[in-house]
Amino acid sequence: ETGVTQTPRHLVMGMTNKKSLKCEQHLGHNAMYWYKQSAKKPLELMFVYSLEERVENNSVPSRFSPECPNSSHLFLHLHTLQPEDSALYLCASSHMGGNTEAFFGQGTRLTVV
Amino acid sequence: DAKTTQPPSMDCAEGRAANLPCNHSTISGNEYVYWYRQIHSQGPQYIIHGLKNNETNEMASLIITEDRKSSTLILPHATLRDTAVYYCIVRVIIQGAQKLVFGQGTRLTINP
Repeated sequence: ETGVTQTPRHLVMGMTNKKSLKCEQHLGHNAMYWYKQSAKKPLELMFVYSLEERVENNSVPSRFSPECPNSSHLFLHLHTLQPEDSALYLCASSHMGGNTEAFFGQGTRLTVV
Repeated sequence: DAKTTQPPSMDCAEGRAANLPCNHSTISGNEYVYWYRQIHSQGPQYIIHGLKNNETNEMASLIITEDRKSSTLILPHATLRDTAVYYCIVRVIIQGAQKLVFGQGTRLTINP
């Protein structure tokens, strides 16, 4: 248990569905992140939020829409996904900069059918 | 972003020290080296980090060369539960947030 909670843990959705992934932390962190990990590939950084402001968007398609309503919560809204979007989606959080580490959630295993 | 190079796989006997190397020859003076590990499809777990001095915690030791172009993660007494993919990362700060760019890592297998 890292203090970063992701829900749901597993999700199956059709290509025409709209769903949201949720990430929550009560560690007092003020930076949050979304990563994607496809099968047998390294983690890819998708989005970075610092003080609830998006500071990095790594060429992620618009069918993925992040939202950070406050420093404790991060969402990833999904719509019209493709089967190749099936992956493990990981959320992380950290304090700003300095001599600290990021904590990862256990991820949401997404399958697009 | 500074790139890291790690061997794709390593084996180690249970109870022995596991030494995982990493090259980061383009690291800048204020960039930290971080190590994480990922046990089959779980979220990555933080292990240790350092800037220029050697570091030790309850999980591992980190040895950074004087020129900072390479480092070695040491698991002093490896157990079967240490089997995982180990990632060496040069951390970048963007507007205060931590940008961790993961490579392929080293798949460490601990053998009984």
